[in-house]
Amino acid sequence: DGGITQSPKYLFRKEGQNVTLSCEQNLNHDAMYWYRQDPGQGLRLIYYSQIVNDFQKGDIAEGYSVSREKKESFPLTVTSAQKNPTAFYLCASSKSWDRTNNEQFFGPGTRLTVL
Amino acid sequence: AQSVTQLGSHVSVSEGALVLLRCNYSSSVPPYLFWYVQYPNQGLQLLLKYTSAATLVKGINGFEAEFKKSETSFHLTKPSAHMSDAAEYFCAVSETSGSARQLTFGSGTQLTVLP
Repeated sequence: DGGITQSPKYLFRKEGQNVTLSCEQNLNHDAMYWYRQDPGQGLRLIYYSQIVNDFQKGDIAEGYSVSREKKESFPLTVTSAQKNPTAFYLCASSKSWDRTNNEQFFGPGTRLTVL
Repeated sequence: AQSVTQLGSHVSVSEGALVLLRCNYSSSVPPYLFWYVQYPNQGLQLLLKYTSAATLVKGINGFEAEFKKSETSFHLTKPSAHMSDAAEYFCAVSETSGSARQLTFGSGTQLTVLP
């Protein structure tokens, strides 16, 4: 079955540590996205990638980094510079960046807790 | 710039009653509009989307939404609520022009279905 997988489902981090969240898709989608979700705030865009080897900052990119070396993979690193990283992180993909094909499909999410 | 307002962060209905979740958008150009549903600790699932064709859009699980340009609204309805409809619902907008092709999400509406 095609879809998006995120791992791990739950992640605990000590303050000052960097952690990397995995996102893989087998939908052959060009575009991928990372969102952060906090209670009562909806989804906020962290980074997005229109195509392999390219990515752009979203609305809240500070303290995060990404890479897009392969079409199917878009890992997110939460660095120690992120002041309040505890949140639910969602990865998504869309067939293309073109507006007629930018319906987004979401992974199951990773819940990150900083201890 | 685009934005989405979801009126009512929490809505409660009785099983079998009408479900109405409100969404108003702001967009400088004709928008694409989406409704997503999220069950606890899961990713988002697309319910339906409006892409400038028919103004009444039918989605999965018996939901539908009507695009009203004069009211800048895209309210989600279901004639008869089921216990399994209890979830959080997000409205999202995507503009047609420029680089604003990512989705902008509302803050969500938590739907509770009472027995």
